[in-house]
Amino acid sequence: KNQVEQSPQSLIILEGKNCTLQCNYTVSPFSNLRWYKQDTGRGPVSLTIMTFSENTKSNGRYTATLDADTKQSSLHITASQLSDSASYICVVSDRGSTLGRLYFGRGTQLTVWP
Amino acid sequence: EADIYQTPRYLVIGTGKKITLECSQTMGHDKMYWYQQDPGMELHLIHYSYGVNSTEKGDLSSESTVSRIRTEHFPLTLESARPSHTSQYLCASMRLDNEQFFGPGTRLTVL
Repeated sequence: KNQVEQSPQSLIILEGKNCTLQCNYTVSPFSNLRWYKQDTGRGPVSLTIMTFSENTKSNGRYTATLDADTKQSSLHITASQLSDSASYICVVSDRGSTLGRLYFGRGTQLTVWP
Repeated sequence: EADIYQTPRYLVIGTGKKITLECSQTMGHDKMYWYQQDPGMELHLIHYSYGVNSTEKGDLSSESTVSRIRTEHFPLTLESARPSHTSQYLCASMRLDNEQFFGPGTRLTVL
């Protein structure tokens, strides 16, 4: 069973609009949560990383939030651009794993239309 | 941008061929990983390595094999490719703070 669930599965927005992507996880014990952006045919690239004690973190137009109590995270994209079209993947790692094990969501496929 | 490279980027081959997917990184990372990703699906770990001469199988069973003779190089080999091996293969390496850096991937199609 996938321990990281993302919603929506896909999303279409107009250029300049904002959007919010959701991630729920059951990974335990929790270490950190990352949001990755994966362009078509490319490898994922890290956007933000959040640890247990962090509630929000920004990277330009991307703002991630984390509620460790409810095990939920969101990624908010402000003033979307055509280049934001990509898959956004939520990745959670567990604490104490020497493997550095990561649990991947299936991603939200975002399409930004002009 | 991360210094991790994969070749080829795209590969179309016939059933039964032997192939090797190359992965190299210049960051000196000890831990390296191979993932398999089908369209619209999550990444699945198929192999990992803690360092030179260390290789382990991941969560997803795979008929591929890997080797780690040098720190910077982590090739994946399929002795006899089948259509079921058609997928995207992503290589990654991990920094000491557990940040993983991904290569651009190899999209494999087996006819």
